[in-house]
Amino acid sequence: GQQVMQIPQYQHVQEGEDFTTYCNSSTTLSNIQWYKQRPGGHPVFLIQLVKSGEVKKQKRLTFQFGEAKKNSSLHITATQTTDVGTYFCAGINNAGNMLTFGGGTRLMVKP
Amino acid sequence: GAGVSQSPSNKVTEKGKDVELRCDPISGHTALYWYRQSLGQGLEFLIYFQGNSAPDKSGLPSDRFSAERTGGSVSTLTIQRTQQEDSAVYLCASSSRQGRAKNIQYFGAGTRLSVL
Repeated sequence: GQQVMQIPQYQHVQEGEDFTTYCNSSTTLSNIQWYKQRPGGHPVFLIQLVKSGEVKKQKRLTFQFGEAKKNSSLHITATQTTDVGTYFCAGINNAGNMLTFGGGTRLMVKP
Repeated sequence: GAGVSQSPSNKVTEKGKDVELRCDPISGHTALYWYRQSLGQGLEFLIYFQGNSAPDKSGLPSDRFSAERTGGSVSTLTIQRTQQEDSAVYLCASSSRQGRAKNIQYFGAGTRLSVL
């Protein structure tokens, strides 16, 4: 079945440093979504990418969907303590029948 | 309701007892997912309901786990003869299959299950 993998599992950064998490799918995706889960909270939708090579920005966050629609990345510029949490990617395959989550990347930011 | 509602928010039970966890999805959402999340871990997919189709039960870890979705709305996850390793947060999410929010999952706050 479809597998979605994320690296790294954990990342410690100093406040102000940049951070990137990578997502790879075993199959071509029709779209990819990103979610953020704050400590003690539940995952909350951030963004959806649909087109090959698409890049979207939300303030300091940049999301990219690969040309082959099998990988994606989330880059945070100049991290802040409010960025702490686990970032999940999730993809839907071309059959469009189910969303599959990656294992998540847990970001810790030292002030 | 305005969001996905799960109850109870916390459940403490004794090993060997049965528990029922409830999820009330966003009105009109045809897709409903159950996940399990152990402390500091990722989302473990359990089961997926889509409209009137047969549910995808491929993530259920054992036959002690079952789930129902009655009338295409409320869902109940049942764990029989609970074990200590069942202790986790159980998350429910729902999504629509149409419109601008198509396939975006909205999560409930979860039920924290502790098996003593």
